[in-house]
Amino acid sequence: QQQVKQSPQSLIVQKGGIPIINCAYENTAFDYFPWYQQFPGKGPALLIAIRPDVSEKKEGRFTISFNKSAKQFSLHIMDSQPGDSATYFCAASRNYGGATNKLIFGTGTLLAVQP
Amino acid sequence: DAGITQSPRHKVTETGTPVTLRCHQTENHRYMYWYRQDPGHGLRLIHYSYGVKDTDKGEVSDGYSVSRSKTEDFLLTLESATSSQTSVYFCAIRAGTPGNQPQHFGDGTRLSIL
Repeated sequence: QQQVKQSPQSLIVQKGGIPIINCAYENTAFDYFPWYQQFPGKGPALLIAIRPDVSEKKEGRFTISFNKSAKQFSLHIMDSQPGDSATYFCAASRNYGGATNKLIFGTGTLLAVQP
Repeated sequence: DAGITQSPRHKVTETGTPVTLRCHQTENHRYMYWYRQDPGHGLRLIHYSYGVKDTDKGEVSDGYSVSRSKTEDFLLTLESATSSQTSVYFCAIRAGTPGNQPQHFGDGTRLSIL
């Protein structure tokens, strides 16, 4: 059972555009929402993460928007560059600060930024 | 790469053979995880460890076993490999303190079972 639904599956934008990737979750016990970036042949790398007590978090050109009532969160990439071309995964976990922090991942979005 | 080494990086084997994948960390982190990545499924947790000799099942544990005899090593074993276990396997590690720490991933093992 997929508990984190991610869309779109793939996305093409022009350099300088603002790609938006959306995720929706079902389990209201989730309390930690990271985004990972993955390049071909590499493992996922943590990009940015948010907790449900804030509605937005920015780190450089990357912004997470969080809507607790709708159980949705999204990643925005400002001024996108060809080097941002990668697969992006959202994830969620419960028991923030607890022992296990098991992540449930979305299915991924393949982003291509054209020069 | 957060001090994580996965071996082998690539492996091709036949159905019914045993396979062991190794994850080695140099960070002395308490928690270690094994995931598999498949198209259309993202990453799914197979097993995880919260200390030496302390392990538990994830969401797709059937057909897999793990062992952790030392802090730095976490082994994933497929006792009798099947074609459905063809996948890319990722190990992740996480520090226990301070507070909640993120998971950091290795670069994966691509396993093909013919």
